[in-house]
Amino acid sequence: SQTIHQWPATLVQPVGSPLSLECTVEGTSNPNLYWYRQAAGRGLQLLFYSVGIGQISSEVPQNLSASRPQDRQFILSSKKLLLSDSGFYLCAWSPGGGALYEQYFGPGTRLTVT
Amino acid sequence: QKEVEQDPGPLSVPEGAIVSLNCTYSNSAFQYFMWYRQYSRKGPELLMYTYSSGNKEDGRFTAQVDKSSKYISLFIRDSQPSDSATYLCAMKDFGNEKLTFGTGTRLTIIP
Repeated sequence: SQTIHQWPATLVQPVGSPLSLECTVEGTSNPNLYWYRQAAGRGLQLLFYSVGIGQISSEVPQNLSASRPQDRQFILSSKKLLLSDSGFYLCAWSPGGGALYEQYFGPGTRLTVT
Repeated sequence: QKEVEQDPGPLSVPEGAIVSLNCTYSNSAFQYFMWYRQYSRKGPELLMYTYSSGNKEDGRFTAQVDKSSKYISLFIRDSQPSDSATYLCAMKDFGNEKLTFGTGTRLTIIP
């Protein structure tokens, strides 16, 4: 069966510090991968998605970036965090290239920028 | 106008009641419809997944899609306190890698 991991689970970072969040998927090959942010009381905002290694699509212009160095690894980064970057960050995967389109989410990383 | 509208609630019902959760949408190209359940401080969990119009049942849960009205519903029978969570609808069109989510309805089942 497939499993998605995210770490860290919680993070408190000062404004201006760098960020690196990691997501890995087990039990599948060539998945589509997604990064979302969920602010308190708000819906899910898609930040980035990737359909293959090195292929990143950005949905929202901001100070975040994403990379996919390996097939089942997705990294969210920032060089300098802003207060507005606080939120619940979720990684998700879906089967790529097939008829199935549902997405499965990881446990999330709760980021607080102080 | 948002592509997907969902009443944020909160919705409180007594244990054992039938719960109806709904979303409306404006994009007629949407063909795939999903319901997620999200417990506090956890990632969303896929509950139901339907394609095009019709009903789909899984245990106490029934998902209903009415494409002519651009309206989808999730029914929970014999609701339990463990059903207390935020429920998110999501949908997509054919060939699009991205989901469009509703903002979620917060549901509380009162014992």
